[in-house]
Amino acid sequence: GNSVTQMEGPVTLSEEAFLTINCTYTATGYPSLFWYVQYPGEGLQLLLKATKADDKGSNKGFEATYRKETTSFHLEKGSVQVSDSAVYFCALTVNQAGTALIFGKGTTLSVSS
Amino acid sequence: DAGVIQSPRHEVTEMGQEVTLRCKPISGHNSLFWYRQTMMRGLELLIYFNNNVPIDDSGMPEDRFSAKMPNASFSTLKIQPSEPRDSAVYFCASRLGTTFTGELFFGEGSRLTVL
Repeated sequence: GNSVTQMEGPVTLSEEAFLTINCTYTATGYPSLFWYVQYPGEGLQLLLKATKADDKGSNKGFEATYRKETTSFHLEKGSVQVSDSAVYFCALTVNQAGTALIFGKGTTLSVSS
Repeated sequence: DAGVIQSPRHEVTEMGQEVTLRCKPISGHNSLFWYRQTMMRGLELLIYFNNNVPIDDSGMPEDRFSAKMPNASFSTLKIQPSEPRDSAVYFCASRLGTTFTGELFFGEGSRLTVL
């Protein structure tokens, strides 16, 4: 089946530290991969995506590269800010019309000044 | 522009009562999704619709749950009778078109507490 596995949280960092959140997937077809972010009290919003192997998605200083050989889509940021504190979800959808997004369990990031 | 609108934002009810959650998707969006979020299970897909037609309801926990989309601008998720284990945040999301790479836009969620 299709599934997403994320590293367990919470992740606690100091401001300006380097961030990596690991994400691996299994998929029956050729997936598209996403990172969504959820700020406290809000719904999820798209952070970045990649739709084919070796694509790099990037937004707001975050980036992730679609690695088919390792079935991974790790999220990275070179220098985190307090405002990046949120829950981050890795997700996939399979290359079939009309399919829904399947999410990982989420990783909570807490950044302190 | 208005985003996905959910109501109520918070609902506290007693076991056995009927609960109805409502969602208004973004105008023009063709796909609508209901998700449930809990600490234990994370974000689970309950059901989704394409062009008002239910496509996959395999995530609906049991017969106590039902969802409808009578038109393109409104959907409901009903729980009858409700149980304490239904306590969760329920999110509605919509997507333009049915393409699998399209962005989902989420509402702010309905937090349900069943006592």
